[in-house]
Amino acid sequence: GDSVTQMEGPVTLSEEAFLTINCTYTATGYPSLFWYVQYPGEGLQLLLKATKADDKGSNKGFEATYRKETTSFHLEKGSVQVSDSAVYFCALSSQNTGNQFYFGTGTSLTVIP
Amino acid sequence: DTAVSQTPKYLVTQMGNDKSIKCEQNLGHDTMYWYKQDSKKFLKIMFSYNNKELIINETVPNRFSPKSPDKAHLNLHINSLELGDSAVYFCASSQAPQVTEAFFGQGTRLTVV
Repeated sequence: GDSVTQMEGPVTLSEEAFLTINCTYTATGYPSLFWYVQYPGEGLQLLLKATKADDKGSNKGFEATYRKETTSFHLEKGSVQVSDSAVYFCALSSQNTGNQFYFGTGTSLTVIP
Repeated sequence: DTAVSQTPKYLVTQMGNDKSIKCEQNLGHDTMYWYKQDSKKFLKIMFSYNNKELIINETVPNRFSPKSPDKAHLNLHINSLELGDSAVYFCASSQAPQVTEAFFGQGTRLTVV
């Protein structure tokens, strides 16, 4: 079945460091791909998305490109801030999955000043 | 206005009790979901439901049942609560058949003692 594999955490970075969180997927057909962020004590918020191959999603300085050839959707940010500390989830959804969203295991990011 | 709201935010109850968590969305979406997040932040789909179809994750015990009085509500009933049911439960919604993002509620932290 469709699934998402996400880089294990936790990740600790200094402020202004470069961030990469890896995400690869397995899917039949052409899923949409998402990154969600969960701040402590809160629900999940959509960070960015891409709905077809070669699309780049971007928001708040974060970017991810839908790579069909490598089945990947890695999350990147050039310069992280303390306020970026959160848990990040990669996810996919498609009509093949009955429009259900399948999430990776989450990667906890802590940014230290 | 909160797009997806769930109540209560916290629920502490004894083993063997029956409890419900309510969820409402004001986005006009066709599909609603329940997810369970365990202590390691892993998110598991429990149900997805629209006005035509209920999709149940086969690993969910039949003590859990979704109830949808109308398109805007999907409540979660849990019978004979067990210690292992302790988790955070998230309600979400999305618009089908287009695969747009899912909007999440703030979560209900269920503690079974």
